[in-house]
Amino acid sequence: NAGVTQTPKFQVLKTGQSMTLQCAQDMNHEYMSWYRQDPGMGLRLIHYSVGAGITDQGEVPNGYNVSRSTTEDFPLRLLSAAPSQTSVYFCASSYGPGQGSGEQYFGPGTRLTVT
Amino acid sequence: RKEVEQDPGPFNVPEGATVAFNCTYSNSASQSFFWYRQDCRKEPKLLMSVYSSGNEDGRFTAQLNRASQYISLLIRDSKLSDSATYLCVVLNYNQGGKLIFGQGTELSVKP
Repeated sequence: NAGVTQTPKFQVLKTGQSMTLQCAQDMNHEYMSWYRQDPGMGLRLIHYSVGAGITDQGEVPNGYNVSRSTTEDFPLRLLSAAPSQTSVYFCASSYGPGQGSGEQYFGPGTRLTVT
Repeated sequence: RKEVEQDPGPFNVPEGATVAFNCTYSNSASQSFFWYRQDCRKEPKLLMSVYSSGNEDGRFTAQLNRASQYISLLIRDSKLSDSATYLCVVLNYNQGGKLIFGQGTELSVKP
């Protein structure tokens, strides 16, 4: 199993550009989430999904869109990049309630810089 | 008030020391509790789940006090390789299975 994969690993964008961060998992997990991590801030939840076709907002959703058309994939779209979106982005997945310990498996992260 | 709060760091300790991390959470409906470890610029990885009866994994002991909404992690006989950031994490399936992370406590073990 590859686990949780994310692409790209690094990205530099100019203000106003859009892009999609890719996330895929091969563990048949129901739950998938996107977090951003900034220095001194810990991980903050952007959007999450409890199954294909179902998404919801987390703590910091503004400026980001998600969709979950398949169990495996959960892309994160930046609509119009801003310097405040410079961060490290982690995708994670886990089993749903009653199917596991609740442990989330994280991808290796995407380091995004917006100039 | 943050939902999950941890001791501010960093903790700088010599090899062989015992170090304790504390964490409090505000949502009494929280259901599962974890300690994750994060190495510099890497993804977080599960260190251990925390059970009400307390649990131990080698040099690591985790405790949960639901009445006080308090979680702890004790590391005995610290190794250089224990240097990392330790994240206290709370899960509530009633909130869509979201993990809520504390801000992390950095540990640096020195020779």
